[in-house]
Amino acid sequence: NAGVTQTPKFRVLKTGQSMTLLCAQDMNHEYMYWYRQDPGMGLRLIHYSVGEGTTAKGEVPDGYNVSRLKKQNFLLGLESAAPSQTSVYFCASGSYEQFFGPGTRLTVL
Amino acid sequence: AQKITQTQPGMFVQEKEAVTLDCTYDTSDQSYGLFWYKQPSSGEMIFLIYQGSYDEQNATEGRYSLNFQKARKSANLVISASQLGDSAMYFCAKCPPLVFGKGTRLSVIA
Repeated sequence: NAGVTQTPKFRVLKTGQSMTLLCAQDMNHEYMYWYRQDPGMGLRLIHYSVGEGTTAKGEVPDGYNVSRLKKQNFLLGLESAAPSQTSVYFCASGSYEQFFGPGTRLTVL
Repeated sequence: AQKITQTQPGMFVQEKEAVTLDCTYDTSDQSYGLFWYKQPSSGEMIFLIYQGSYDEQNATEGRYSLNFQKARKSANLVISASQLGDSAMYFCAKCPPLVFGKGTRLSVIA
């Protein structure tokens, strides 16, 4: 039982490049979330999903897209990365108790 | 949009003393959940305690208790008998969906 895993753990991109962050959970949770955390701030919700095939916008969705093709996976895409997207990205799953992944540190130069 | 407010950017507490971290929220939902998480300097998010909006009793988990005042829309975290290992960022959150406050940095002094 791995819980919530995130891939990759670290990534450096150049402005304009694209990438996909993968979140996987093995707890059969319906709800999954993507957050970003900037220095000195809390977690801000980017997108979330309430089940396979569904997604919804959170507080800061611009510049990101998501997909939930399989229940256990939630993908976060950056089509054209910008320096403002430099952040630590956390994935979480669960409803009444959330389980968090270890985070992905992304730097956009 | 939902708003979670933590008015204390930083707090200090003496070891073995109790401390209260404040959290207020803005919602028109009837059914919701309230959470507190701890984030140590290592960066992981650690679940501490959960309170459902229909729960009549305040939630408790070991040294953590949640002082839930529904009419005032507040969900303060009380940590009893503080320990040095309690030094961390603490985040209040509400679902659904799960949104967070900006956090309070707690420093426990020996």
